[in-house]
Amino acid sequence: AQSVTQLDSHVSVSEGTPVLLRCNYSSSYSPSLFWYVQHPNKGLQLLLKYTSAATLVKGINGFEAEFKKSETSFHLTKPSAHMSDAAEYFCVVSGSPGGGNKLTFGTGTQLKVEL
Amino acid sequence: KAGVTQTPRYLIKTRGQQVTLSCSPISGHRSVSWYQQTPGQGLQFLFEYFSETQRNKGNFPGRFSGRQFSNSRSEMNVSTLELGDSALYLCASSFSGGYNEQFFGPGTRLTVL
Repeated sequence: AQSVTQLDSHVSVSEGTPVLLRCNYSSSYSPSLFWYVQHPNKGLQLLLKYTSAATLVKGINGFEAEFKKSETSFHLTKPSAHMSDAAEYFCVVSGSPGGGNKLTFGTGTQLKVEL
Repeated sequence: KAGVTQTPRYLIKTRGQQVTLSCSPISGHRSVSWYQQTPGQGLQFLFEYFSETQRNKGNFPGRFSGRQFSNSRSEMNVSTLELGDSALYLCASSFSGGYNEQFFGPGTRLTVL
């Protein structure tokens, strides 16, 4: 079975300060991990993905995440927050015993960016 | 390349009715997955279709069903609608599966009265 736990339901930062959104995962096999972002009334957009290549993954809009197997973590970071980053972020693990696509989503972290 | 499209974008139905939602994947993508998003349960996997065959299924009752056509377009059907079926239904497509990332459509907002 697979699961992800997003440790914070809400994170608030000031514009220009670093962002850290925390995610721990559990997987019975080697996982594929993703971060998706959802802006209000919009669909989900892929930020980045980890698929067992480099442990530090760079994504769009300056976001990156580091896969740490020993800690079963996949935290999302950005050096400097922008107002346009305000959205809901989902940590996601992919896979199923029979193969194919099945995404298991975390409960989401709402990021608020203040002036 | 056009993205994933879903129709209709908004739908209002009453309890007991049935509804069909449509999803057109990105050209060349053969896998289509469906997800339900609600404030209480978050994002939950419904099912995945690949080459017209259901490849994975989530934990939803049999009232939820789907199919995929030879051009990879997919439909999902919900029969005997309940108030709790009110949700945003998201469709996602990918080239094949596994490590391939999924690209999401804008969703269909279903309201059951």
